[in-house]
Order: sequence, then structure tokens, then C-alpha cells
Amino acid sequence: EAQVTQNPRYLITVTGKKLTVTCSQNMNHEYMSWYRQDPGLGLRQIYYSMNVEVTDKGDVPEGYKVSRKEKRNFPLILESPSPNQTSLYFCASSLKDGAYEQYFGPGTRLTVT
Amino acid sequence: QKEVEQDPGPLSVPEGAIVSLNCTYSNSAFQYFMWYRQYSRKGPELLMYTYSSGNKEDGRFTAQVDKSSKYISLFIRDSQPSDSATYLCAMGSNTNAGKSTFGDGTTLTVKP
Repeated sequence: EAQVTQNPRYLITVTGKKLTVTCSQNMNHEYMSWYRQDPGLGLRQIYYSMNVEVTDKGDVPEGYKVSRKEKRNFPLILESPSPNQTSLYFCASSLKDGAYEQYFGPGTRLTVT
Repeated sequence: QKEVEQDPGPLSVPEGAIVSLNCTYSNSAFQYFMWYRQYSRKGPELLMYTYSSGNKEDGRFTAQVDKSSKYISLFIRDSQPSDSATYLCAMGSNTNAGKSTFGDGTTLTVKP
């Protein structure tokens, strides 16, 4: 089944404890992206990757890191999480050469206390 | 001011009604436009994709883009309770193909 998977689905952590949210797609898509979704603020793009080893900032990259060492995986790294990073995170991928027609993962709900 | 403004809703309609969901935008560079549907506790799923101005129809769904007015719409005909979800508009440009800007979403409830 073609899909985007994220792990973990739910995570509660404490301020300052480094964490990684994994994202993997099995559709051989070149484009991948991370978003956060907050009430009243909608979906906001954090980082995106046009291809392996090619990443760029979205609208809200502060406090996040990404890497794209292989086509299928695009992990999101929070080196020192803070409570304002409590949010619902979505990974997405697209067969197209950009943010068109994206397939989204199921989401990761992160709480930072 | 946000680049993309979406009618906030929530919207509640009876089954069988025609629903109109709307977004306006300010960035004239936007060339491609999407509508996503998001059920509660799920990730968004692509409903419609349109490039530039015009209409596109897919079953009960019709997407309209009016670039001169910077206005896009999604129409749902013969709405069903299964259409109850949050609808998100999204848009982007070829000059910065990796970036995508979303509206805040409109929550629709279709009552049987």
C-alpha cells in the first residue's frame, strides 16, 4: 500500500530533551515536507526537501532541523524542544517536483512540558 | 495579513445541499491551487488540484480558480454526511515550487 508513515504517533516529552520524528514514504517520491498544525494558525510549512541532500526552510523553521540522506526518509529533529513546539506534525510527499498534490502522513501529536 | 484567507466557518448544511467553500489570496505569483479534506484525527488528503485559472470537475466536486480576483472556490453538490470534515485550500508558485501555503480550513458538517 502506498503510504507515508510517521513515528511516533504520540509523544510527550520535557523541555530540552532532543527528539526525532521519523517520516518514511514508499512511493519513490522526490519531494517531501514537514508541517505543523495549530488551532487558528492552520498548516504551516517547517522544512521541505526537493530531493536527496536538498533541503530548504519553510515558513516556521526555527527550532527544527531536517536531513534527507535517502529518498524515502525525511526525519524531523528537535534538538532542544520547548513548550511552544507542542503541536500536531504532518509529513508529506509528492511525486511532482514540488509541493503539488501532496500525500500526507497520519500525524504526530507532540506535547512538550 | 495572511497570504491566504479562508472563510472560517464552521458551516452546517442539510444533506443534499450545495456547499461553497472559498479562499482569497494576495500573492499574484500563485499558479497552482489545491483543496484538501481532513477528517478528524487524520492527515489531509488531496481532493482537487488546479493549475492556473478555470474550472475542474471530479464527480460531485468542482474547483474554480479566478486569478484576476485572486479567489478560489470548491463546490460540493449533493452533499453527504460523509463529506463532514475540514477543508483546506493550498496554493503555491512555480518560482518556488517547494513552498506551499495553506488556508486555516473550514469545518463542514452535513446533517442527515
